Amino acid sequence: AQKVTQAQTEISVVEKEDVTLDCVYETRDTTYYLFWYKQPPSGELVFLIRRNSFDEQNEISGRYSWNFQKSTSSFNFTITASQVVDSAVYFCALSEANQGAQKLVFGQGTRLTINP
Amino acid sequence: DVKVTQSSRYLVKRTGEKVFLECVQDMDHENMFWYRQDPGLGLRLIYFSYDVKMKEKGDIPEGYSVSREKKERFSLILESASTNQTSMYLCASSLRQGNNSPLHFGNGTRLTVT
Repeated sequence: AQKVTQAQTEISVVEKEDVTLDCVYETRDTTYYLFWYKQPPSGELVFLIRRNSFDEQNEISGRYSWNFQKSTSSFNFTITASQVVDSAVYFCALSEANQGAQKLVFGQGTRLTINP
Repeated sequence: DVKVTQSSRYLVKRTGEKVFLECVQDMDHENMFWYRQDPGLGLRLIYFSYDVKMKEKGDIPEGYSVSREKKERFSLILESASTNQTSMYLCASSLRQGNNSPLHFGNGTRLTVT
């Protein structure tokens, strides 16, 4: 069965610090997709990144970077030089290729607070 | 930009009432989903639909039903609301292209059942 674990319930850092959000997943499928979503106080989840299981290249987008390691079943998210606007709940999610209509399984979420 | 609109931001209902949560998307997406979000549990899939009049159970369908009469609209129905259905409900939509199309979410409906 598929499962996503975000062990960090809450993280609080001071602005400009770097912060890493952990995500560990379980799946029996060899083809799967991993996602990160951001949920600001407004409530709407915003898509950040998608990765497929055959692409282990790390990705950087501005201050955001993602480290995908199949050997440890992890897909961690790092924010460099954090800003107050990064404060949100972040969700990691997994979908398996053999699941119809893209059923996502979400982790529990990590509430990130960036203090000025 | 895709817009997913949920009809109510906050809703308070009494135990035993029939409750309708409405969701409309404007980008002609085939797939639509209803999740509920609870602290410490993340998002859990209630029902989803990949076409008009089609529906599939998610992980926690008990106590809920859905309706999709038109492509743009997906309704979640609580036949007889109970206090354990107090939660944040999130609607989402996506294109049918395999399993890698991002979900687009609405702002959520916070339902309180008293």
